[in-house]
Amino acid sequence: GQNIDQPTEMTATEGAIVQINCTYQTSGFNGLFWYQQHAGEAPTFLSYNVLDGLEEKGRFSSFLSRSKGYSYLLLKELQMKDSASYLCAVRDHNYGQNFVFGPGTRLSVLP
Amino acid sequence: EAGVAQSPRYKIIEKRQSVAFWCNPISGHATLYWYQQILGQGPKLLIQFQNNGVVDDSQLPKDRFSAERLKGVDSTLKIQPAKLEDSAVYLCASSSTQGGYGYTFGSGTRLTVV
Repeated sequence: GQNIDQPTEMTATEGAIVQINCTYQTSGFNGLFWYQQHAGEAPTFLSYNVLDGLEEKGRFSSFLSRSKGYSYLLLKELQMKDSASYLCAVRDHNYGQNFVFGPGTRLSVLP
Repeated sequence: EAGVAQSPRYKIIEKRQSVAFWCNPISGHATLYWYQQILGQGPKLLIQFQNNGVVDDSQLPKDRFSAERLKGVDSTLKIQPAKLEDSAVYLCASSSTQGGYGYTFGSGTRLTVV
């Protein structure tokens, strides 16, 4: 089966940097995705990693270590609008190439 | 490009009643998914369609949940009869290929069973 773990909640200050960790256990790993979900809205795609290393997209970066079953999402220059839940999802080729989502990390950005 | 459309946005029903949700995926997207997201949890896949065929429904509680995707476009998800624990947001998503690079989600239907 699959097991994905993330911290439940995090708090950070506007303008700061925050790192949201995700650990996973899966037998058929085929990519890791991060989604952002504002309260009452649909999840929206942020980033995708399939190889080890760092992928940077503006203020957001995502890192993957397949040997450690570990990823993180790094958010720089935090803004109030970054307050949302951040979902880590693993694509598993033993699961029909579908995503298995983690529980999500609710980030609160304070002024 | 128009997004994934879902309706209704909100629904409140009493336990043991029936309810249906509707989803219209992005035009041309062959793969359609229904997810259940209980408050404070990540989305859980209920069923996946490829065109109008079911690919995976292993986590669908088939004694009360059913879904169809006639003509390979729109889809409906039905719960009959509803239980209190069915209170959740039901998200529809679509992708151009199975397991495609990122899904596009609809805004979801928030169901409250009282």
